[in-house]
Amino acid sequence: DSGVTQTPKHLITATGQRVTLRCSPRSGDLSVYWYQQSLDQGLQFLIQYYNGEERAKGNILERFSAQQFPDLHSELNLSSLELGDSALYFCASSARGTHQETQYFGPGTRLLVL
Amino acid sequence: DQQVKQNSPSLSVQEGRISILNCDYTNSMFDYFLWYKKYPAEGPTFLISISSIKDKNEDGRFTVFLNKSAKHLSLHIVPSQPGDSAVYFCAASASNDYKLSFGAGTTVTVRA
Repeated sequence: DSGVTQTPKHLITATGQRVTLRCSPRSGDLSVYWYQQSLDQGLQFLIQYYNGEERAKGNILERFSAQQFPDLHSELNLSSLELGDSALYFCASSARGTHQETQYFGPGTRLLVL
Repeated sequence: DQQVKQNSPSLSVQEGRISILNCDYTNSMFDYFLWYKKYPAEGPTFLISISSIKDKNEDGRFTVFLNKSAKHLSLHIVPSQPGDSAVYFCAASASNDYKLSFGAGTTVTVRA
């Protein structure tokens, strides 16, 4: 158990809909990262937050947005969902969000868009 | 643009023998490397890391070797155990970038 929690574990929805994925980092960690793993793909970085502020952005679609709240939990919002958004979404956390830090991953949310 | 490559999608090894997983990278700015293990329906679990100032790091049965000139790293698991059967991901980060870039993974099967 990494100490990172994600809810829900599974999500099934329809095209065009909007969903929110939630992540709670390990106790004491200030930085949260979101990654997407599509079928037969490695993990792709989406976005990083540190202590409530966006720090880095990867290949995140404009239809996707995220935020980190004062209690340090984070939410990833996916809107106008398409079939291709079906994937595993992982949240990771690290202590300071700096270089050469280990990122600890949650169990993921499996999203299926029908 | 896949900057971290794991060219072997799968590896089968007998219990007790050595497992060697390979990883190549193209970005010369990468200076921190990690290996993660992933079981089905779980998130990646951190195994071992290495900084570019080292060429070897060991933790129990796991050893990571880094060859900077070849832009290549490998993970050795000795001896391999049935519980090691999982997908292994190589990841890297650069000093000017906090994200991790992942390889596509290698599925290891340890045969009894």
